[in-house]
Amino acid sequence: EVQLVESGGGLVQPGRSLRLSCAASGFTFDDYAMHWVRQAPGKGLEWVSGISWNSGSTGYADSVKGRFTISRDNAKNSLYLQMNSLRAEDTALYYCAKVAGDGYWYFDLWGRGTLVTVSS
Amino acid sequence: SYELTQPPSVSVSPGQTARITCSADALPKQYAYWYQQKPGQAPVLVIYKDSERPSGIPERFSGSSSGTTVTLTISGVQAEDEADYYCQSADSSGTVVFGGGTKLTVL
Repeated sequence: EVQLVESGGGLVQPGRSLRLSCAASGFTFDDYAMHWVRQAPGKGLEWVSGISWNSGSTGYADSVKGRFTISRDNAKNSLYLQMNSLRAEDTALYYCAKVAGDGYWYFDLWGRGTLVTVSS
Repeated sequence: SYELTQPPSVSVSPGQTARITCSADALPKQYAYWYQQKPGQAPVLVIYKDSERPSGIPERFSGSSSGTTVTLTISGVQAEDEADYYCQSADSSGTVVFGGGTKLTVL
């Protein structure tokens, strides 16, 4: 089955760190760029970060630049998001998303998300 | 980066046509994409490259582009179409941008 499964979310205090994971299955993971998109409770979608198929290129939203790091392990079919210096405004459901193809900037497969809550 | 502007809400009666707009200065140079999100669910792609429909998406969903505005049209709206809809694009540097979302209410 083609799917993405996120994990690693939870309750964390402001200023602490958390690492999210996304396990991919059912497709050739290293053929595709991958992204993280988040959604704060009751709010809209916000792009967080993206990484090319070979990790040669990464991008970040201004809101997380310098605090979050995206990475991938193609041998493990896994995508990661290291989140440092977390803030209350980082509280959101974090989705892992697959691009539709090489050079494409839209997402044809999403996970169900993992919830991150930043609170003291 | 730039912003994509959508109306916060659109309401239609069943069987009518719903039109949801998305505007930005950069759209003429970049494709736009549309996602449907129902409560408690992940987004689902309903339109790509302004007007293409993925397999499995009903024909009542269509997209169009004119100048700096793209439009998602749902013809013959059904109760099951009630959802939030988001437009999305990407700028020349590869930064992905989402619109603020439009809540479609089927009266």
